[in-house]
Amino acid sequence: KQEVTQIPAALSVPEGENLVLNCSFTDSAIYNLQWFRQDPGKGLTSLLLIQSSQREQTSGRLNASLDKSSGRSTLYIAASQPGDSATYLCAVDSSASKIIFGSGTRLSIRP
Amino acid sequence: DTGVSQNPRHKITKRGQNVTFRCDPISEHNRLYWYRQTLGQGPEFLTYFQNEAQLEKSRLLSDRFSAERPKGSFSTLEIQRTEQGDSAMYLCASSSGTGGSGNTIYFGEGSWLTVV
Repeated sequence: KQEVTQIPAALSVPEGENLVLNCSFTDSAIYNLQWFRQDPGKGLTSLLLIQSSQREQTSGRLNASLDKSSGRSTLYIAASQPGDSATYLCAVDSSASKIIFGSGTRLSIRP
Repeated sequence: DTGVSQNPRHKITKRGQNVTFRCDPISEHNRLYWYRQTLGQGPEFLTYFQNEAQLEKSRLLSDRFSAERPKGSFSTLEIQRTEQGDSAMYLCASSSGTGGSGNTIYFGEGSWLTVV
């Protein structure tokens, strides 16, 4: 049974800092992993999708890495801004029919 | 591409009543998912459709829950005899893909259910 864990549950950093969010999963047989952003009371917005054959993906100030063998992914945010404050969720697709989410990291960027 | 649309956005109902949520996925997407999310938690998987076939159903989905996707287009999620524990945000998502590969999943804005 696939389990996804995100640590820390909450993180507060001053504006301008670079930061890393962590995601770990128990079953390394995955098709892909996605990172999402969720603002309070809203749906989820996809940030990056990494296929199982890839090691990383980049979009603007965001870089996501994937190490299947160790069951880990990281989301790196460069030069953080107050607008980056949100909950960040990772989701693992290991069967196409059931995509499993972590509980998220609630990020707060202090001006 | 108008995105994934969910209706209603908010629903307040009395315990014991039935409620139905509708999801209109992105038109060319063959995969559709329903999730439930409570405060401070990640989305919990409820059910999955590939076209019109319901291929996966979570044990979280009790007999009071039923989902359909007629003709592989929009989907409905019905909750019968609602209980206070059903209060949550119900999220619908869609994507395209064949076999074991999958593409980016797009979520709707969610439907908030409050059972009083």
